[in-house]
Amino acid sequence: DAKTTQPPSMDCAEGRAANLPCNHSTISGNEYVYWYRQIHSQGPQYIIHGLKNNETNEMASLIITEDRKSSTLILPHATLRDTAVYYCIVRAHDAGNMLTFGGGTRLMVKP
Amino acid sequence: GAGVSQTPSNKVTEKGKYVELRCDPISGHTALYWYRQSLGQGPEFLIYFQGTGAADDSGLPNDRFFAVRPEGSVSTLKIQRTERGDSAVYLCASSSSGLVTDTQYFGPGTRLTVL
Repeated sequence: DAKTTQPPSMDCAEGRAANLPCNHSTISGNEYVYWYRQIHSQGPQYIIHGLKNNETNEMASLIITEDRKSSTLILPHATLRDTAVYYCIVRAHDAGNMLTFGGGTRLMVKP
Repeated sequence: GAGVSQTPSNKVTEKGKYVELRCDPISGHTALYWYRQSLGQGPEFLIYFQGTGAADDSGLPNDRFFAVRPEGSVSTLKIQRTERGDSAVYLCASSSSGLVTDTQYFGPGTRLTVL
Protein backbone atom coordinates (compact mmCIF):
# COMPACT_ATOMS: atom_id res chain seq x y z
CA ASP A 1 0.00 0.00 0.00
CA ALA A 2 1.09 3.57 -0.64
CA LYS A 3 2.24 5.40 2.43
CA THR A 4 0.40 8.33 3.92
CA THR A 5 1.58 11.42 5.77
CA GLN A 6 -0.58 13.13 8.37
CA PRO A 7 0.17 15.89 10.89
CA PRO A 8 0.65 14.34 14.32
CA SER A 9 -1.84 16.62 16.04
CA MET A 10 -4.45 19.30 15.45
CA ASP A 11 -6.82 21.40 17.53
CA CYS A 12 -10.31 22.48 16.60
CA ALA A 13 -12.89 24.62 18.36
CA GLU A 14 -16.16 22.95 19.24
CA GLY A 15 -18.82 23.68 16.63
CA ARG A 16 -16.32 24.57 13.95
CA ALA A 17 -15.34 22.42 10.99
CA ALA A 18 -12.35 20.14 11.48
CA ASN A 19 -10.29 19.67 8.34
CA LEU A 20 -7.82 16.82 8.59
CA PRO A 21 -5.27 16.58 5.76
CA CYS A 22 -3.56 13.49 4.39
CA ASN A 23 -0.83 13.27 1.79
CA HIS A 24 -0.54 10.15 -0.33
CA SER A 25 1.64 11.26 -3.20
CA THR A 26 2.51 7.73 -4.37
CA ILE A 27 -1.06 6.46 -4.52
CA SER A 28 -1.81 4.08 -7.37
CA GLY A 29 -4.81 4.22 -9.64
CA ASN A 30 -6.54 1.27 -7.99
CA GLU A 31 -5.98 2.41 -4.40
CA TYR A 32 -8.77 3.81 -2.27
CA VAL A 33 -8.46 6.35 0.54
CA TYR A 34 -9.99 5.17 3.83
CA TRP A 35 -10.44 7.05 7.08
CA TYR A 36 -10.84 5.47 10.49
CA ARG A 37 -10.80 7.08 13.90
CA GLN A 38 -9.96 5.77 17.35
CA ILE A 39 -11.44 7.33 20.43
CA HIS A 40 -9.47 6.81 23.61
CA SER A 41 -9.69 3.25 24.97
CA GLN A 42 -11.81 2.07 22.06
CA GLY A 43 -11.10 0.17 18.86
CA PRO A 44 -10.87 2.00 15.53
CA GLN A 45 -14.13 3.02 13.86
CA TYR A 46 -14.71 3.27 10.12
CA ILE A 47 -15.63 6.77 8.90
CA ILE A 48 -15.60 6.96 5.12
CA HIS A 49 -13.71 5.94 2.01
CA GLY A 50 -13.39 7.04 -1.62
CA LEU A 51 -11.51 6.47 -4.86
CA LYS A 52 -11.49 9.78 -6.71
CA ASN A 53 -14.86 11.44 -6.23
CA ASN A 54 -15.73 13.40 -3.14
CA GLU A 55 -17.82 11.42 -0.68
CA THR A 56 -20.18 12.39 2.12
CA ASN A 57 -21.97 10.40 4.77
CA GLU A 58 -23.60 11.10 8.10
CA MET A 59 -20.24 11.33 9.84
CA ALA A 60 -18.00 13.28 7.50
CA SER A 61 -17.03 14.42 4.03
CA LEU A 62 -13.99 13.27 2.09
CA ILE A 63 -12.41 15.59 -0.44
CA ILE A 64 -9.84 14.03 -2.76
CA THR A 65 -7.73 16.27 -4.99
CA GLU A 66 -7.95 15.81 -8.73
CA ASP A 67 -4.45 14.32 -8.91
CA ARG A 68 -5.37 12.08 -5.93
CA LYS A 69 -2.12 12.90 -4.17
CA SER A 70 -3.86 14.28 -1.12
CA SER A 71 -7.20 14.28 0.61
CA THR A 72 -9.02 16.06 3.44
CA LEU A 73 -11.46 14.62 5.91
CA ILE A 74 -14.00 17.21 7.01
CA LEU A 75 -16.04 17.00 10.20
CA PRO A 76 -18.50 19.84 9.55
CA HIS A 77 -19.41 20.69 13.14
CA ALA A 78 -16.91 19.15 15.51
CA THR A 79 -18.05 18.15 18.98
CA LEU A 80 -16.05 17.17 22.05
CA ARG A 81 -16.88 13.54 21.25
CA ASP A 82 -14.93 13.86 17.99
CA THR A 83 -11.69 14.07 19.97
CA ALA A 84 -9.77 11.03 18.68
CA VAL A 85 -6.86 9.82 16.57
CA TYR A 86 -7.79 9.90 12.88
CA TYR A 87 -6.09 7.49 10.52
CA CYS A 88 -5.82 7.93 6.76
CA ILE A 89 -5.22 4.60 5.01
CA VAL A 90 -4.56 3.92 1.36
CA ARG A 91 -5.38 0.42 0.19
CA ALA A 92 -6.08 -1.47 -2.98
CA HIS A 93 -9.07 -3.77 -2.99
CA ASP A 94 -6.99 -6.56 -4.49
CA ALA A 95 -4.13 -6.30 -2.03
CA GLY A 96 -5.47 -8.20 0.91
CA ASN A 97 -8.00 -7.62 3.62
CA MET A 98 -5.79 -6.14 6.31
CA LEU A 99 -5.76 -2.46 7.19
CA THR A 100 -2.35 -0.79 7.41
CA PHE A 101 -2.46 2.04 9.92
CA GLY A 102 0.10 4.82 10.18
CA GLY A 103 0.55 7.18 13.07
CA GLY A 104 -2.62 9.19 12.47
CA THR A 105 -3.58 12.70 13.55
CA ARG A 106 -4.60 13.32 17.13
CA LEU A 107 -7.52 15.75 16.92
CA MET A 108 -8.36 17.65 20.07
CA VAL A 109 -11.72 19.43 19.99
CA LYS A 110 -11.76 22.22 22.55
CA PRO A 111 -14.76 23.97 24.10
CA GLY B 1 -27.10 -5.89 18.15
CA ALA B 2 -23.98 -6.58 20.18
CA GLY B 3 -20.66 -5.48 18.82
CA VAL B 4 -17.32 -7.26 18.94
CA SER B 5 -16.39 -8.22 22.46
CA GLN B 6 -12.99 -9.14 23.84
CA THR B 7 -12.01 -10.76 27.11
CA PRO B 8 -10.30 -10.08 29.35
CA SER B 9 -10.14 -6.31 29.06
CA ASN B 10 -6.84 -6.32 30.90
CA LYS B 11 -4.30 -9.07 31.40
CA VAL B 12 -1.13 -8.84 33.46
CA THR B 13 1.30 -11.71 33.24
CA GLU B 14 4.90 -12.49 33.95
CA LYS B 15 7.63 -12.94 31.38
CA GLY B 16 7.70 -16.51 30.11
CA LYS B 17 4.06 -17.29 30.85
CA TYR B 18 1.39 -18.41 28.39
CA VAL B 19 -1.69 -16.25 27.72
CA GLU B 20 -4.93 -16.60 25.79
CA LEU B 21 -6.98 -13.68 24.55
CA ARG B 22 -10.56 -14.20 23.40
CA CYS B 23 -12.61 -12.47 20.72
CA ASP B 24 -16.36 -12.79 20.16
CA PRO B 25 -17.19 -11.32 16.74
CA ILE B 26 -20.48 -9.85 15.66
CA SER B 27 -22.94 -12.69 15.18
CA GLY B 28 -22.93 -13.98 11.62
CA HIS B 29 -19.68 -12.33 10.61
CA THR B 30 -17.48 -14.78 8.75
CA ALA B 31 -14.29 -12.72 8.69
CA LEU B 32 -12.25 -12.06 11.83
CA TYR B 33 -9.04 -10.08 12.26
CA TRP B 34 -6.46 -9.65 14.99
CA TYR B 35 -4.33 -6.52 15.29
CA ARG B 36 -1.77 -5.38 17.86
CA GLN B 37 -1.34 -1.77 18.96
CA SER B 38 1.74 -0.58 20.82
CA LEU B 39 1.62 2.63 22.80
CA GLY B 40 1.47 5.71 20.59
CA GLN B 41 1.28 3.75 17.35
CA GLY B 42 -1.43 2.65 14.98
CA PRO B 43 -2.70 -0.94 15.01
CA GLU B 44 -0.62 -3.58 13.20
CA PHE B 45 -2.24 -6.51 11.42
CA LEU B 46 -1.57 -9.97 12.82
CA ILE B 47 -3.91 -12.53 11.25
CA TYR B 48 -7.15 -12.82 9.28
CA PHE B 49 -9.66 -15.69 9.42
CA GLN B 50 -12.28 -16.50 6.84
CA GLY B 51 -14.54 -18.96 8.58
CA THR B 52 -12.45 -21.48 10.48
CA GLY B 53 -9.29 -21.10 8.45
CA ALA B 54 -6.49 -18.57 8.67
CA ALA B 55 -6.55 -16.88 5.27
CA ASP B 56 -3.58 -14.62 6.02
CA ASP B 57 -1.22 -14.98 8.98
CA SER B 58 1.57 -12.88 7.53
CA GLY B 59 1.48 -10.42 10.41
CA LEU B 60 2.22 -12.88 13.20
CA PRO B 61 5.64 -11.79 14.50
CA ASN B 62 7.03 -15.24 15.34
CA ASP B 63 6.03 -18.78 16.22
CA ARG B 64 5.18 -17.85 19.81
CA PHE B 65 1.96 -16.37 18.45
CA PHE B 66 -0.88 -18.60 17.32
CA ALA B 67 -4.60 -18.08 16.77
CA VAL B 68 -7.53 -20.41 16.29
CA ARG B 69 -11.16 -20.14 15.33
CA PRO B 70 -12.39 -23.75 15.52
CA GLU B 71 -16.09 -23.18 14.88
CA GLY B 72 -15.89 -20.12 12.74
CA SER B 73 -17.11 -17.79 15.45
CA VAL B 74 -15.09 -17.17 18.63
CA SER B 75 -11.35 -16.81 18.16
CA THR B 76 -8.50 -17.19 20.62
CA LEU B 77 -5.09 -15.57 20.24
CA LYS B 78 -2.45 -17.57 22.08
CA ILE B 79 0.95 -16.26 23.06
CA GLN B 80 3.59 -18.63 24.42
CA ARG B 81 6.62 -17.68 26.48
CA THR B 82 5.54 -14.06 26.70
CA GLU B 83 8.16 -11.34 26.50
CA ARG B 84 8.04 -7.76 27.75
CA GLY B 85 7.91 -6.60 24.14
CA ASP B 86 4.57 -8.36 23.73
CA SER B 87 2.96 -5.74 25.95
CA ALA B 88 0.35 -3.98 23.81
CA VAL B 89 -3.37 -3.68 23.18
CA TYR B 90 -4.62 -6.61 21.14
CA LEU B 91 -7.57 -5.65 18.97
CA CYS B 92 -10.04 -7.93 17.26
CA ALA B 93 -12.28 -6.95 14.36
CA SER B 94 -14.92 -8.73 12.32
CA SER B 95 -16.62 -8.10 9.01
CA SER B 96 -19.69 -9.64 7.46
CA SER B 97 -18.31 -11.67 4.59
CA GLY B 98 -14.63 -11.07 4.18
CA LEU B 99 -14.96 -8.95 1.10
CA VAL B 100 -12.21 -6.36 1.15
CA THR B 101 -14.86 -3.65 0.84
CA ASP B 102 -16.66 -4.80 3.99
CA THR B 103 -16.37 -2.52 7.00
CA GLN B 104 -14.26 -3.95 9.79
CA TYR B 105 -15.85 -3.50 13.21
CA PHE B 106 -13.38 -3.41 16.07
CA GLY B 107 -13.70 -4.51 19.65
CA PRO B 108 -12.36 -2.48 22.59
CA GLY B 109 -9.19 -4.56 22.81
CA THR B 110 -7.33 -6.49 25.49
CA ARG B 111 -4.50 -4.64 27.17
CA LEU B 112 -1.69 -7.13 27.79
CA THR B 113 1.08 -6.21 30.19
CA VAL B 114 4.07 -8.52 30.52
CA LEU B 115 6.11 -7.84 33.64
